[in-house]
Amino acid sequence: GENVEQHPSTLSVQEGDSAVIKCTYSDSASNYFPWYKQELGKGPQLIIDIRSNVGEKKDQRIAVTLNKTAKHFSLHITETQPEDSAVYFCAADGIVRLPNSNSGYALNFGKGTSLLVTP
Amino acid sequence: DGGITQSPKYLFRKEGQNVTLSCEQNLNHDAMYWYRQDPGQGLRLIYYSQIVNDFQKGDIAEGYSVSREKKESFPLTVTSAQKNPTAFYLCASTTTSTDTQYFGPGTRLTVL
Repeated sequence: GENVEQHPSTLSVQEGDSAVIKCTYSDSASNYFPWYKQELGKGPQLIIDIRSNVGEKKDQRIAVTLNKTAKHFSLHITETQPEDSAVYFCAADGIVRLPNSNSGYALNFGKGTSLLVTP
Repeated sequence: DGGITQSPKYLFRKEGQNVTLSCEQNLNHDAMYWYRQDPGQGLRLIYYSQIVNDFQKGDIAEGYSVSREKKESFPLTVTSAQKNPTAFYLCASTTTSTDTQYFGPGTRLTVL
């Protein structure tokens, strides 16, 4: 699939501080950018998403910003709590290029950021 | 987990055996997906299906097979041809191929 780069791979913050995770993507046709939180041994859970017709979206302590020109988007978590500790994945929709020359739409994921919030 | 169930949660397989992982959804979603997750890696697409009786290979389909006989079910078979099958397998579904994907709880497969 198209490339989605995510940084940092690990992030440690103190409780109450903010955490920022950044992603870049390569497919200029991408229009949908979800963020998932995955706790150990569980499936990813959608926490927030943004579409290309907006630049920012906020839901309580979580916000996502999108810069389509620069092809990057970021997750911001304010007032972090220990229960925010998890692996976070960004994703961008795009065309999956298949070996048999066909293609289809799918989500392309970053490699994840392991966030640790220490009390 | 949004109405998507995967079973079993843990699965052990001997080398040379085929094994089938179950994925069922009651969300009336059209599209379903299988991903493989390895430690420290993102999710890699194995197969996806946008409609019943149709499916497409993803980035790492070799050694895997799927079927989509019913809208709510998308089982994944890990064949003996898959050289390194030990991983965490995630199933997802969505209303359209470009909309929000909801994930199941995953199946951890270990080859003994």
